[in-house]
Amino acid sequence: DIQMTQSPSPLSASVGDRVTITCQASQDITIYLNWYQQKPGKAPKLLIYDASNLQTGVPSRFSGSGSGTDFTFTISNLQPEDIATYYCQQYANIPLTFGPGTEVDIK
Amino acid sequence: QVQLVESGGGVVQPGRSLRLSCTASGFTFSSYGIHWVRQAPGKGLEWVAVISFHGSNEYYADSVKGRLTISRDNSRNTVYLQMNSLRADDTAFYYCARDRAPYSHGGGSAFDIWGQGTLVTVSS
Repeated sequence: DIQMTQSPSPLSASVGDRVTITCQASQDITIYLNWYQQKPGKAPKLLIYDASNLQTGVPSRFSGSGSGTDFTFTISNLQPEDIATYYCQQYANIPLTFGPGTEVDIK
Repeated sequence: QVQLVESGGGVVQPGRSLRLSCTASGFTFSSYGIHWVRQAPGKGLEWVAVISFHGSNEYYADSVKGRLTISRDNSRNTVYLQMNSLRADDTAFYYCARDRAPYSHGGGSAFDIWGQGTLVTVSS
């Protein structure tokens, strides 16, 4: 199975900050990497697919990059409504696997 | 409105069975693979299973293989998760989710539409 790791966790930042989360895969997954946002008590929401493509309707302050084993997720201008847990997920191999999540809160 | 709605969760004793349903609306259901993803209370996300758009291909996490079975009825716009020999560590919110890529024969890609989840509690 492909193991996914994320850092940091948790992450505390101020409104307006640039926030970066990294995700590392245990083997090469090319660009088969997605990012999700999950708020408490809610289902996850797809933000980024194929490492860098913004899902329709998602604000442009969210972005993703990377390929191979190392990926980055960025919120360019943190807003109060961005308080959530963020997960990366690979689909290069079955079983599909998620990272452990990064909890983002406001300082 | 594109949506998925899960049902069938509840409290069940260890070793017993339960069947979850996921009913879709607002899109061409028969064109998309559907996944089940679960989340134990306070924990992270775990992919469980996927069924292809035509129902011919199914894939499972090792932790549920042989105990959980995914199926679909395209005439009813519904996917099922038959859960047998339930264990305490199956306790979780179970979400169904649509695969982003239509007509995929493989194991899936991104989950672009999610249901609200249904809670399964395995306890004596």
